[in-house]
Amino acid sequence: EIVLTQSPDFQSVTPKEKVTITCRASQSIGSSLHWYQQKPGQSPKLLVKYGSQSFSGVPSRFSGSGSGTDFTLTINSLEAEDAATYYCHQSYSLPRTFGPGTIVDIK
Amino acid sequence: EVQLVESGGGLVQPGRSLRLSCTASGFTFGDYAMIWVRQAPGKGPEWVGFIRSKTDGGTTEYAASVKGRFTISRDDSKSIAYLQMNSLKSEDTGVYYCTREGGVGASHYDYWGQGTLVTVSS
Repeated sequence: EIVLTQSPDFQSVTPKEKVTITCRASQSIGSSLHWYQQKPGQSPKLLVKYGSQSFSGVPSRFSGSGSGTDFTLTINSLEAEDAATYYCHQSYSLPRTFGPGTIVDIK
Repeated sequence: EVQLVESGGGLVQPGRSLRLSCTASGFTFGDYAMIWVRQAPGKGPEWVGFIRSKTDGGTTEYAASVKGRFTISRDDSKSIAYLQMNSLKSEDTGVYYCTREGGVGASHYDYWGQGTLVTVSS
């Protein structure tokens, strides 16, 4: 099973700041890594697919990069509505797995 | 508009069974693999399993934690995916989401339902 680790666990950020979240896979997964945003009481929403491809309708301040074992989700110029938990997810092999999440809080 | 609506959750005693449904609309259901993901209270998402489209064989895959107890099926004529859960345990408690893979050859999960809560307790 591929284990995904995320850092940091928690980040408190002021609006307009840049946020960087990393996801590391326990083995190489190519570009089969996706990022989701989940707000309290809501279902996860896809932000970035295959490492760096933005999903339709997602604000351009969200971007992803990386391949192999190391991936990054960047939120440029954070907005208050971006307060949420962010998860990475690998689809390289079975079983599919998710990272433990990174909580982004607005100061 | 793509919509996925889960139903069938509730309170159930350990050892009993429950069947969840995921009713889809806004797309050609039969063309997509359908996935179940659950989330225990205060925890991250956990992949439960999925069913491939009939074109890809209609076969299923499961997480080790549910294999042999849970069964995923689909009725393409009704645009519904099912999750039959048997021998339920307290650790199966959580919100159950259905989601779909993003298309032929795709493996990301592009649309999710709102979830249905399953509570396993005596």
